[in-house]
Amino acid sequence: DQQVKQNSPSLSVQEGRISILNCDYTNSMFDYFLWYKKYPAEGPTFLISISSIKDKNEDGRFTVFLNKSAKHLSLHIVPSQPGDSAVYFCAASGLNTGGFKTIFGAGTRLFVKA
Amino acid sequence: EAGVAQSPRYKIIEKRQSVAFWCNPISGHATLYWYQQILGQGPKLLIQFQNNGVVDDSQLPKDRFSAERLKGVDSTLKIQPAKLEDSAVYLCASRDSGGSSYNEQFFGPGTRLTVL
Repeated sequence: DQQVKQNSPSLSVQEGRISILNCDYTNSMFDYFLWYKKYPAEGPTFLISISSIKDKNEDGRFTVFLNKSAKHLSLHIVPSQPGDSAVYFCAASGLNTGGFKTIFGAGTRLFVKA
Repeated sequence: EAGVAQSPRYKIIEKRQSVAFWCNPISGHATLYWYQQILGQGPKLLIQFQNNGVVDDSQLPKDRFSAERLKGVDSTLKIQPAKLEDSAVYLCASRDSGGSSYNEQFFGPGTRLTVL
C-alpha cells in the first residue's frame, strides 16, 4: 500500500536548467508535505515543506507546488546546480494517535550535469 | 547544535545473530523515530517514541525487533535473530514537538547493516 509515490526513479538535467521532481499521494488526510534531500552515506536532510492549506511555497531556488484535487505535488529547482545531485524524497504527514506519522516515497535520484 | 548521532555506522553479521544500534537525538527533541531503508526504497517507520513512551510500533516486526528509549533520551534498536531481509540502512530521526520546525525531522547518518 504505497500512499506516497515517486514514479521517476531518476532524472537527469543540465546545469542551469529547471529540475522538476514529482510526487503523488493517495491519502487525503495528509496535512503536511515535505521534501528531503539525501547524499550518499548521509541521512536525509529537510529541504522544504508545504501545508495542505497552501498551493505553493518558495525558498530560494526551491519551490514546492501542491495540487490537492489531483493529490500531486512537485518540487522545482531553478537553476539546477551540480551540488543538487542527490536523492530527493517526497514525504507526507498527518496527525495519528499522538504524533505526526510521516510516509516517504521511494525517492528520485537527480543528476545535474555540468 | 549537535545533530543526531548513531553508532555503529556499519555492521556485518551472519543470519541468526543479534545486533544492536544506538541513537542519541538532538537535545530537547521529545520525538524519536527509527526507520528502515531498504536499497531503492524510501525510509519505512519502524517505531516512534514520544519521550520514553511508544506512539506507534505497528510496523515493527516484534518477533525479532525491539526498541527502547530509557529516560526519554537515547534509544537502542535490537534485532534478534537477524534474517537476510534485514539488510538495510537503519535511520534514527528526532523532532522538536514545538516551534516553527515542528514537522521537520532531523536524521542521523544511519547504520548500514549487512546480514550474510
